[in-house]
Amino acid sequence: EVQLLESGGGLVQPGGSLRLSCVASGFTFSAYAMSWVRQAPGKGLEWVSVIRGDGTNTYYTDSVKGRFTISRDNPKNTLYLQMSSLSAEDTAVYYCATSGSGWYRFNYWGQGMLVTVSS
Amino acid sequence: DIQMTQYPSSLSAFAGDRVTITCRTSQSITNYVNWYQQKPGKAPKLLVYAASNLQSGVPSRFSGSGSGTDFTLTISSLQPEDFATYYCQQTYSTPPTFGQGTKVEVK
Repeated sequence: EVQLLESGGGLVQPGGSLRLSCVASGFTFSAYAMSWVRQAPGKGLEWVSVIRGDGTNTYYTDSVKGRFTISRDNPKNTLYLQMSSLSAEDTAVYYCATSGSGWYRFNYWGQGMLVTVSS
Repeated sequence: DIQMTQYPSSLSAFAGDRVTITCRTSQSITNYVNWYQQKPGKAPKLLVYAASNLQSGVPSRFSGSGSGTDFTLTISSLQPEDFATYYCQQTYSTPPTFGQGTKVEVK
């Protein structure tokens, strides 16, 4: 059974940093691209970033470029999102997600983790 | 970025009703559209991929159609467990973008 378990969320002050983690199990982690998708309170879904299975390619939505860094540790089956220079607009539930086919067909999701940016 | 215009933003329906949700894209994307269902406090669930393919385990009352720029998700007979928010998503190009969502409520 595929499982994605996120951790690292919480309250952070504007301008601060936070690192999210997502531990995967039940599939060959290194074979699949992994994404982060977020959802601001009461709003829709927004894709944030993707990393290729071998970690060689990464892409970001424009609003987080230069502030967020996606990475992965394949031996540890873990995906990361390092977030810095956070603002209130980054407040959201963050999901890690993946697919058994293609980069963006998200048929597996984590439970979601709330990141609140507030003073 | 490819824009996804989803409508209606909300609708009210009775159990048993046929419901149709539409997504229009800002450029032709052949069949690179997925549909998701999301219930409050839960992660989204993939329903349909590549415009018309039902994800494994999804009831057959759900169906998707369309190509090019116009896509629809249809629920043939709405069940109580189908009251939720639905999102379309294009996977034709990076960044993958979502529609604004359609909230299906009890009438």
